[in-house]
Amino acid sequence: GNSVTQMEGPVTLSEEAFLTINCTYTATGYPSLFWYVQYPGEGLQLLLKATKADDKGSNKGFEATYRKETTSFHLEKGSVQVSDSAVYFCALYSSGGSYIPTFGRGTSLIVHP
Amino acid sequence: GAVVSQHPSWVICKSGTSVKIECRSLDFQATTMFWYRQFPKQSLMLMATSNEGSKATYEQGVEKDKFLINHASLTLSTLTVTSAHPEDSSFYICSAPGRSGGANVLTFGAGSRLTVL
Repeated sequence: GNSVTQMEGPVTLSEEAFLTINCTYTATGYPSLFWYVQYPGEGLQLLLKATKADDKGSNKGFEATYRKETTSFHLEKGSVQVSDSAVYFCALYSSGGSYIPTFGRGTSLIVHP
Repeated sequence: GAVVSQHPSWVICKSGTSVKIECRSLDFQATTMFWYRQFPKQSLMLMATSNEGSKATYEQGVEKDKFLINHASLTLSTLTVTSAHPEDSSFYICSAPGRSGGANVLTFGAGSRLTVL
């Protein structure tokens, strides 16, 4: 079956530091890959997506590249802000499987001033 | 863009009572909605998939009689926690699938925090 593995958190950084949150996956077919973000007390919001190999999704300074050879979709940001503090979820839809997405366990990011 | 409205945001109830949570798609039709429960340390658990005009599909281990799901129309799905107990206290989130940029994506409601006293 499909699965998504994210790095354990919390990730604690100082403002303006570089961020990487690792995500790897296993899936049947040709999955689309996503990062969702959840701010405290809220639901999840789509942050970025990539639908095929070598695609780069980007939004709000965050980027992730769909790497089929390493089955990875790592989230990066060059300079984090306090307002980026949230929980980040990596997810996939597999075109060869059910319509139900598979989520990672989430990684909490804490950014200090 | 697609918006999913979820109410109430917060609810506190006494043990043994029932609570209804509504999830509405505001500017699109959702024949399917997903209901998640979020546990401490943020992991999401898919509880069930609601389908307009038919019975919901529950995930293994989820009590159908405790968590009643009704998808009454193309824009409304409801989750009723019946005879709630303190262990049902949690954050419940609904979502609806749609298309964006050639990909299937989920639009989430803002979530409902249930506290059972």
